[in-house]
Amino acid sequence: LAKTTQPISMDSYEGQEVNITCSHNNIATNDYITWYQQFPSQGPRFIIQGYKTKVTNEVASLFIPADRKSSTLSLPRVSLSDTAVYYCLGGAGSYQLTFGKGTKLSVIP
Amino acid sequence: DAGVIQSPRHEVTEMGQEVTLRCKPISGHDYLFWYRQTMMRGLELLIYFNNNVPIDDSGMPEDRFSAKMPNASFSTLKIQPSEPRDSAVYFCASSLNTGTSGGRPQETQYFGPGTRLLVL
Repeated sequence: LAKTTQPISMDSYEGQEVNITCSHNNIATNDYITWYQQFPSQGPRFIIQGYKTKVTNEVASLFIPADRKSSTLSLPRVSLSDTAVYYCLGGAGSYQLTFGKGTKLSVIP
Repeated sequence: DAGVIQSPRHEVTEMGQEVTLRCKPISGHDYLFWYRQTMMRGLELLIYFNNNVPIDDSGMPEDRFSAKMPNASFSTLKIQPSEPRDSAVYFCASSLNTGTSGGRPQETQYFGPGTRLLVL
């Protein structure tokens, strides 16, 4: 299983772009990188997944360099409602997900 | 679909009592997961089932914890006897296996709202 490392917390002002970087040096060939978001008092929610290069959806973008040893989740123009914990996970099946403590993003007005 | 349903949403009990948490996965999903979340340890996988069969219970903290899945639409996590250190939020999640070949994307896990357990 890919062991991931990400910052414990980040602060950002409303309207700014936020980039959260995750390290996964031992990622395996079959592993995908998946990010989940968790709001207070709720369960985690899938936001984006990728294997390499760039993936974009209506919520975020995910950048994965060629060596795949890290990835960056990009949230454009954050709002207060983006305050949440963001988890970076690596694995080849949902049963291999290890969530850990994630990155607590605080958006400041 | 109503999503993953967990009950109760909140449970307060005294040390030594038996606690049973319940989960109804999304219809048609063949994987079910039980997680525990605390401030100190984050979100930890306790056990997961595939087609109602327990596959990996290595995350279950000790023999006081047990989980069952008698059918595809119901699972329980039982703590007997409960202890104050079991206080946490317990999440159930389910997913659908969409393929068997390597390199496929991870199936999205859908989480329930959680059960907040407080053992006094």
